[in-house]
Parts: sequence; structure tokens; C-alpha cells
Amino acid sequence: NAGVTQTPKFRVLKTGQSMTLLCAQDMNHEYMYWYRQDPGMGLRLIHYSVGEGTTAKGEVPDGYNVSRLKKQNFLLGLESAAPSQTSVYFCASSSPTGSPQRNEQYFGPGTRLTVT
Amino acid sequence: AQKVTQAQTEISVVEKEDVTLDCVYETRDTTYYLFWYKQPPSGELVFLIRRNSFDEQNEISGRYSWNFQKSTSSFNFTITASQVVDSAVYFCALSEMDSNYQLIWGAGTKLIIKP
Repeated sequence: NAGVTQTPKFRVLKTGQSMTLLCAQDMNHEYMYWYRQDPGMGLRLIHYSVGEGTTAKGEVPDGYNVSRLKKQNFLLGLESAAPSQTSVYFCASSSPTGSPQRNEQYFGPGTRLTVT
Repeated sequence: AQKVTQAQTEISVVEKEDVTLDCVYETRDTTYYLFWYKQPPSGELVFLIRRNSFDEQNEISGRYSWNFQKSTSSFNFTITASQVVDSAVYFCALSEMDSNYQLIWGAGTKLIIKP
């Protein structure tokens, strides 16, 4: 039982390049989330998904796209990377049902992205 | 709009002192959850506690305790007899039923425990 995994752990991009971050969870959770964390700040929600085939915008969605083709995977794409997207990206998953873990978000280890 | 405020940006204490981290939240929902997470220097996010809006009982877990007061919209976290390993950034977060339980995060409090 790996929980939430993220690929890759580190990445350096040049401005204008594209990339996809992969998040996978093996807990059969319905909800999945992508956050970014900038230095000295809390996490900000980029996009989230409440089920396979659904996605929704969070607080800071601009410049990112997501897809949830399979329940266990949530992909975050950057089409044209900008230096302002340099950040640590965290994926999380949760379930709206069940106890006592209801609505508790389980986090991946993070991906450190630098855009030069 | 929902909001979480952690007014203490950084706290520094000497080992074995008690320390309280403050968290004040704003919400119009009657059903919500409050969380504390720990982020040690290694960077991962560690879940500490979840509280729902209908349960105002204080909770103690070892050296950690939490004081939830709806009257003041606060959910404070106390570490008793602090240890160097407690050094981390601590985040308070709020999720509401009406917003698909998205987590709204405070800015975090950096706790430094000096030996």
C-alpha cells in the first residue's frame, strides 16, 4: 500500500516547455487534488476532481490543465511553463465517505519544479 | 468567504517549554472540518488531527493537545514539553461541506525548538 505517489520528484524546465506531473493513489479515493506551495506560504489549490472523468478549478488554475481518466490517477499539465510556476507541487486524495478517515486528505511527497 | 488565519509567522522556544499555535477561521457553513498538518524540514505533509464542527471536545494525544472553540472561531494547538523534533511548519486548514471539502490553508507557523 503506497498511498499517494508523485512522479517526478524534481524537474527543471525552460520557459515555454511543457510537462506533465503524475499523481497516483491506491486507496480507491474518489477525490483528488493538486496544490502548489510557494516559499513561506501555505498550499493553494490548483485543480481538483471529485470522480473519474471530472475536474474543477481551484484557487489558482491559470496556466495548468488536469485530467482524471482513471480513478487512481490525476495528471497536472503545464502547457507553456513560466518562471512564476516555480514551486513545490503536492497531490492529495480523500474520500467523502467512510470513517474515521472521512475527508482527510492524504498527500504525496511533492514535486519540486524549477522554471528558468 | 472562508478563511484561515495563523497570525504567528514564527515562534522560537527553548526545548521543554510549552508552546501554543493559534488558528482562527471564518466560515458561513454549519458543517465543516478543521485540520492541523505538520511539515518538517524534509517537506512532507503529516496529518495531525481532524475536528468536525459538531465536536467541540478538546483532544489530547501525547504531548499534543487541541482546543476547539466555536464561540471564538479558534482551533489552537498546544505542544507540551517541546522537543527539537517538533521543529517544523504547522498548518491549520478548513474544509466545508458546501465547497466539496476543499482545504483552505492558513499561511503556517514556523516553530523552532532550540536545544
